[in-house]
Amino acid sequence: GAGVSQTPSNKVTEKGKYVELRCDPISGHTALYWYRQSLGQGPEFLIYFQGTGAADDSGLPNDRFFAVRPEGSVSTLKIQRTERGDSAVYLCASTPGGSRTQYTDTQYFGPGTRLTVL
Amino acid sequence: AQSVTQLDSHVSVSEGTPVLLRCNYSSSYSPSLFWYVQHPNKGLQLLLKYTSAATLVKGINGFEAEFKKSETSFHLTKPSAHMSDAAEYFCVVSDRVLTGGGNKLTFGTGTQLKVEL
Repeated sequence: GAGVSQTPSNKVTEKGKYVELRCDPISGHTALYWYRQSLGQGPEFLIYFQGTGAADDSGLPNDRFFAVRPEGSVSTLKIQRTERGDSAVYLCASTPGGSRTQYTDTQYFGPGTRLTVL
Repeated sequence: AQSVTQLDSHVSVSEGTPVLLRCNYSSSYSPSLFWYVQHPNKGLQLLLKYTSAATLVKGINGFEAEFKKSETSFHLTKPSAHMSDAAEYFCVVSDRVLTGGGNKLTFGTGTQLKVEL
């Protein structure tokens, strides 16, 4: 079946601009995660959705970052007033969710969006 | 707090020789541990995971890892490397349940595996 998809695959923008990154999880997966991978680093957690709500946004670096998932499927990560330090690969992952043992669930990752802020 | 240390940023092996990628973790609880592989321009793919069952875990493509609590290690091995194994490998720990029941993964900085003829 189809995996997690992310669009665009690459995004180049100028400092100060607004960007939106889209994630389409595996069909039926209720849990969705965003991570950010800076050059030479492992991915770092940003935000977690269970259904439509942002259940945990403790990883968002500041209030320029925001994410939504209005219908409990597709999610959009929004970055305002982009800075050069926001350049990274943004990864999305999903899991079936809804179980009591989610801490052991395998997260299925998309290919990522490479964001470059000039 | 959970953390992961991957002891080697780069490992180079010859095709057909064993692979050892080292990982140590720190966790306040009984963790789940994962190894993911990332090929260029591809998404992260799960190789294997440990979730408090058998300490020797077998994964895809001939990889396996052994959970050693006394050493807080979860090293990844493969008896014989193949050219297609060249990629970046991430050791991952999870022991924190997020608000809402989710699962925060903490990644190491990665080990780049090079396989030479």
